[in-house]
Amino acid sequence: QQQVKQSPQSLIVQKGGISIINCAYENTAFDYFPWYQQFPGKGPALLIAIRPDVSEKKEGRFTISFNKSAKQFSLHIMDSQPGDSATYFCAASMGGRRDYKLSFGAGTTVTVRA
Amino acid sequence: NAGVTQTPKFRILKIGQSMTLQCTQDMNHNYMYWYRQDPGMGLKLIYYSVGAGITDKGEVPNGYNVSRSTTEDFPLRLELAAPSQTSVYFCASSYLGQGANQPQHFGDGTRLSIL
Repeated sequence: QQQVKQSPQSLIVQKGGISIINCAYENTAFDYFPWYQQFPGKGPALLIAIRPDVSEKKEGRFTISFNKSAKQFSLHIMDSQPGDSATYFCAASMGGRRDYKLSFGAGTTVTVRA
Repeated sequence: NAGVTQTPKFRILKIGQSMTLQCTQDMNHNYMYWYRQDPGMGLKLIYYSVGAGITDKGEVPNGYNVSRSTTEDFPLRLELAAPSQTSVYFCASSYLGQGANQPQHFGDGTRLSIL
């Protein structure tokens, strides 16, 4: 079963708008939550990551919000641009294990209309 | 720096054929991973390796084999190709020290069709 549930499956936003992608998890042992961005024909690439000791992390137009009690985290893309059109994956891992395996969400395809 | 290189980029196989997907990285990363990506399913871990000579199963290992004889290379073998193995396969690597999470670096994938 999917250890990390991601929604929505796809979204369309106008240029300059805000894109919001939500993820939820059950395993409280997860302690590292990265987001990956994937363009068509390419492999995923790390976009931004957060640990549960902070509630928010911002890098440029991308912000992760983290709610430990609700076991939810989300990605906000502010001032969305056509170049942000991609598939976004949330993920989670247990840093205390030696293997550092990532459990990925199903992905969200974001389309930014000019 | 080439990063993670996967070959071939595309391949069509007949049912029952075998093949090896190649993956090599030039970043001296100790950890390497194989994923498959199916539409609407995200990435599923097939096998991973924490160093040369050490491999372990991920979520979906059936029908696949791996080996890790060097730090750089981590090939994935399909012995008897089945239509259910039609997918996009990604190799990734990362450098992990004790207690640290580092990003996984992905190749551009191998698109495999089994007919």
